[in-house]
Amino acid sequence: QVQLVESGGGLVKPGGSLTLSCAASGFSLSDTDYYMNWIRQAPGKGLEWISYISYNAIYYSDSVKGRFTMSRDNTKNSLYLQMNSLRADDTAVYYCVRVDGPGEGFDPWGQGTLVTVSS
Amino acid sequence: SYDLAQPFSVSVALGQTARITCGGNNIGSKNVHWYQQKPGQAPVLVIYRDNNRPSGIPARFSGSNSGNRATLIISRAQAGDEADYYCQVWDSSVVFGGGTKLTVL
Repeated sequence: QVQLVESGGGLVKPGGSLTLSCAASGFSLSDTDYYMNWIRQAPGKGLEWISYISYNAIYYSDSVKGRFTMSRDNTKNSLYLQMNSLRADDTAVYYCVRVDGPGEGFDPWGQGTLVTVSS
Repeated sequence: SYDLAQPFSVSVALGQTARITCGGNNIGSKNVHWYQQKPGQAPVLVIYRDNNRPSGIPARFSGSNSGNRATLIISRAQAGDEADYYCQVWDSSVVFGGGTKLTVL
């Protein structure tokens, strides 16, 4: 059974940093068939894609480019999101999500981890 | 950038058919995916590539896509279908609609 479990969320001050993790099971992150994504949802708001990693490239939305870094450790079958220079509008639930490639639907989703940026 | 427009809310009587629209410029030329999100839960893919259902999704869920509008169709609506629904496409990046709250009366 494919499962994604995020961790690492919490309360952080503006300008601070935080690293999120996503542990994958039931499939291998090194499988080139899959792209892994981070998608976030601010409280009471809609969904916002922020980054994805393929077997040979990483892409970011303009809203996080230069501040967030996505990476993976195939030996641990885990995905990471290093978040720097955090702002209040980064407050959101962050989901780790798999997609079979560009153009396809996102499935499955992790349960999400809440990041709150506040002084 | 590419925009997707969804109605803020849709209401449907129990047992009737709900239609949730997603408008975009020439969206019919793109693959549209739909997600259901219940309160406090992660989104779930309910329709992919316009009109395909993942395993485990009831056949009551279907979709269409043509011209400037895609539609999620939920037949014989049940109380358990109450949720937020999001459409999504890939353009120069990933684009989500703003979401539609479905109320089953």
